[in-house]
Amino acid sequence: DARVTQTPRHKVTEMGQEVTMRCQPILGHNTVFWYRQTMMQGLELLAYFRNRAPLDDSGMPKDRFSAEMPDATLATLKIQPSEPRDSAVYFCASGTSPRGRPLNEQFFGPGTRLTVL
Amino acid sequence: GDSVTQMEGPVTLSEEAFLTINCTYTATGYPSLFWYVQYPGEGLQLLLKATKADDKGSNKGFEATYRKETTSFHLEKGSVQVSDSAVYFCALLKHGAQKLVFGQGTRLTINP
Repeated sequence: DARVTQTPRHKVTEMGQEVTMRCQPILGHNTVFWYRQTMMQGLELLAYFRNRAPLDDSGMPKDRFSAEMPDATLATLKIQPSEPRDSAVYFCASGTSPRGRPLNEQFFGPGTRLTVL
Repeated sequence: GDSVTQMEGPVTLSEEAFLTINCTYTATGYPSLFWYVQYPGEGLQLLLKATKADDKGSNKGFEATYRKETTSFHLEKGSVQVSDSAVYFCALLKHGAQKLVFGQGTRLTINP
């Protein structure tokens, strides 16, 4: 049963600390998304990659957030320095997008619940 | 820009009641439409989808019909169960695009 995995599931940190969240997409998926979910803003797309290349990170605060895909099996989202307003659940999702064809479906991971004190 | 508007929640029903969660969209062209469900403490899961006008998506007793004339994709279920308690998200995907556009979500609670 292929699933998107995310680590850690929960993270509590102090303001100013660096936070790194990791995602392992489903094997064979070539498109990876990072979302943030809060009560106030709902579900927001932060960034997404296709074939490990960043396609859109316009939803991400550039001064403190960075997203990378070191290889096809790992996506990372880093916050440095973290702030209390970054407290949220961060979801990773993956899917397949054959060349020239639309994305079939997004499969979501269980999320990382981040609390910044 | 493209957008999805959902019925505001929370929605509370008794078990075996009929459910409707309204969803309307604004988009150019003919997007694909989706309903995702998020159970407590979990990520979103695809519930059903429809890719063209008049298509009906169905899964687990839920149904939604793609209505181009009213730009709607309302979610329905004839008899809800306590286990259906979750947050439901309507979403669209424009043809050729990669990004889903989500509605704000509707929290559904079913009481025994």
